[in-house]
Amino acid sequence: GAVVSQHPSRVICKSGTSVKIECRSLDFQATTMFWYRQFPKQSLMLMATSNEGSKATYEQGVEKDKFLINHASLTLSTLTVTSAHPEDSSFYICSARDIQEYGYTFGSGTRLTVV
Amino acid sequence: QKEVEQNSGPLSVPEGAIASLNCTYSDRGSQSFFWYRQYSGKSPELIMFIYSNGDKEDGRFTAQLNKASQYVSLLIRDSQPSDSATYLCAVGGKLIFGQGTELSVKP
Repeated sequence: GAVVSQHPSRVICKSGTSVKIECRSLDFQATTMFWYRQFPKQSLMLMATSNEGSKATYEQGVEKDKFLINHASLTLSTLTVTSAHPEDSSFYICSARDIQEYGYTFGSGTRLTVV
Repeated sequence: QKEVEQNSGPLSVPEGAIASLNCTYSDRGSQSFFWYRQYSGKSPELIMFIYSNGDKEDGRFTAQLNKASQYVSLLIRDSQPSDSATYLCAVGGKLIFGQGTELSVKP
């Protein structure tokens, strides 16, 4: 089945620094990937849709200048949290869809803690 | 109104019983519906998807879709303690998630 690799799985950073999260589709090409954020005891909130070769589409209320998304190839999308603050601490998850399969495959998630 | 709503939990059922999870959605044009299971601290894993009205069965799981009522449900038969998790309903091409229902299966 389709596999999506997400890295790092856990990161702790200082307030004001930037953090990059990578999402790779290992055995398929993904023209579209999605980025979600999940706070404790809450559901997944869609942040943005990452489109290969074009600008990401952000959901209402998500700051595009703070959450930079780059989808430079058919197998890699990155999310950079710029000038991170403690309120950005969350579980970030990416997903992608292999057109030959149904459903979306999720990465293993990245636990970001900003101190 | 939230785009996707699930019945509030937690839901507790005894081992061997049927667990019933419900979900309603607001976008009448939605075409695809998914049920995911998420264990604490892990990312969601797909259980089932359904596109057409009616029932779809896969092992102990049955998804039911009623587009006229904008309602999708998941039944888990012969519930096992290992089924204890949060179940997420997701709708549409962008996967808009409901808030999730926490299921606890008691031995």
